[in-house]
Amino acid sequence: LAKTTQPISMDSYEGQEVNITCSHNNIATNDYITWYQQFPSQGPRFIIQGYKTKVTNEVASLFIPADRKSSTLSLPRVSLSDTAVYYCLVGARRTNAGKSTFGDGTTLTVKP
Amino acid sequence: GAVVSQHPSWVICKSGTSVKIECRSLDFQATTMFWYRQFPKQSLMLMATSNEGSKATYEQGVEKDKFLINHASLTLSTLTVTSAHPEDSSFYICSARTVGDEQYFGPGTRLTVT
Repeated sequence: LAKTTQPISMDSYEGQEVNITCSHNNIATNDYITWYQQFPSQGPRFIIQGYKTKVTNEVASLFIPADRKSSTLSLPRVSLSDTAVYYCLVGARRTNAGKSTFGDGTTLTVKP
Repeated sequence: GAVVSQHPSWVICKSGTSVKIECRSLDFQATTMFWYRQFPKQSLMLMATSNEGSKATYEQGVEKDKFLINHASLTLSTLTVTSAHPEDSSFYICSARTVGDEQYFGPGTRLTVT
């Protein structure tokens, strides 16, 4: 399973755009990139998943360069409620194994 | 999105007793479920992969006789912590995969062993 590296923590202010980058140099051809959000004492919540280029949904965008060795989660106009730990996961999607290995995550703190 | 529930949400037990935690996929069938453990201020650590109708696959270092997993149906997997000790106190989280290979997580179960 590809190892991921993320910044341990980030600070931001309400209304700003936040970009969290994840490095995954050993990503395999079949691997997808998935981001999760976790609040204290809760299970992780799916944010977004992508394979290449750009993916956008109602809460975030995911940018993946051509070499796929990194990815960037973009959160537009964050609010205090976006304070959480964000995990980047890399793994094969369409496989019976399909298990995800969590890295250390990025603790995002949004300040007023 | 799909919903995964866990029961109980928190449990306190005495050292030496066993505790069962249930993980249910409420609106979809899950042939595969995963069990994670998370200590305070740490990331999630995969314990085992639970496949419906077959034996679970445990990660290295996880005692299969201590953490019994049963995936009896396409919507239910259970984790039993046998002869629990204070060091087993942790946050246990399950996840389930949909037919479309999306993975959804339960809300977690806080286990405290006294």
